[in-house]
Amino acid sequence: GQQVMQIPQYQHVQEGEDFTTYCNSSTTLSNIQWYKQRPGGHPVFLIQLVKSGEVKKQKRLTFQFGEAKKNSSLHITATQTTDVGTYFCAGRRSYNTDKLIFGTGTRLQVFP
Amino acid sequence: DAGVIQSPRHEVTEMGQEVTLRCKPISGHDYLFWYRQTMMQGLELLVYFNNKAVMDDSGMPKDRFSAKMPNASFSTLKIQPSEPRDSAVYFCASSQDRTSGGRETQYFGPGTRLLVL
Repeated sequence: GQQVMQIPQYQHVQEGEDFTTYCNSSTTLSNIQWYKQRPGGHPVFLIQLVKSGEVKKQKRLTFQFGEAKKNSSLHITATQTTDVGTYFCAGRRSYNTDKLIFGTGTRLQVFP
Repeated sequence: DAGVIQSPRHEVTEMGQEVTLRCKPISGHDYLFWYRQTMMQGLELLVYFNNKAVMDDSGMPKDRFSAKMPNASFSTLKIQPSEPRDSAVYFCASSQDRTSGGRETQYFGPGTRLLVL
């Protein structure tokens, strides 16, 4: 079963509001990646975090990797309708595997 | 680059029939992954290859699923016999070899939407 959980499962926001999704793993991860999947589309890579406590920004998106490397978050400032989609985190349990465990995903809906 | 190519894009079949999904990874990528996505189970890894060799197929039901990669530019995922519970979107993804300095970004294909009646 899923061992990387994301909350919330769904989020509806008004355009301009902020949005945050949280990713929690039951085990330590060697890295964390974030993907975005538009409705009817396929997952598209956004970013990768590797270091404990790492923070990266992409325009209105801010990504964090927890100090214990078991959790991560994605924060979107001032959402736009183009942010609609499902956001997945994914991580590797160790450096010796190439297998990514995907989170359960958070579906974001933005109302204009 | 054309990206990861999958065919067919849609497949409707009857229970008991054989289904073959095809994937062409990005040229130069050593890794190829097959995922299944459903509302209930989310995105699950079925099997992945490195340089055409199966590295992990623990997520794949062995009794009816089989995956092959006969060459570096082609892979198949076969379901025989298919069952209604196999209805899902099947994604193929490819990536470079991170251990030799490549990026470990996974590039997904558009997916095959399978419906088994």
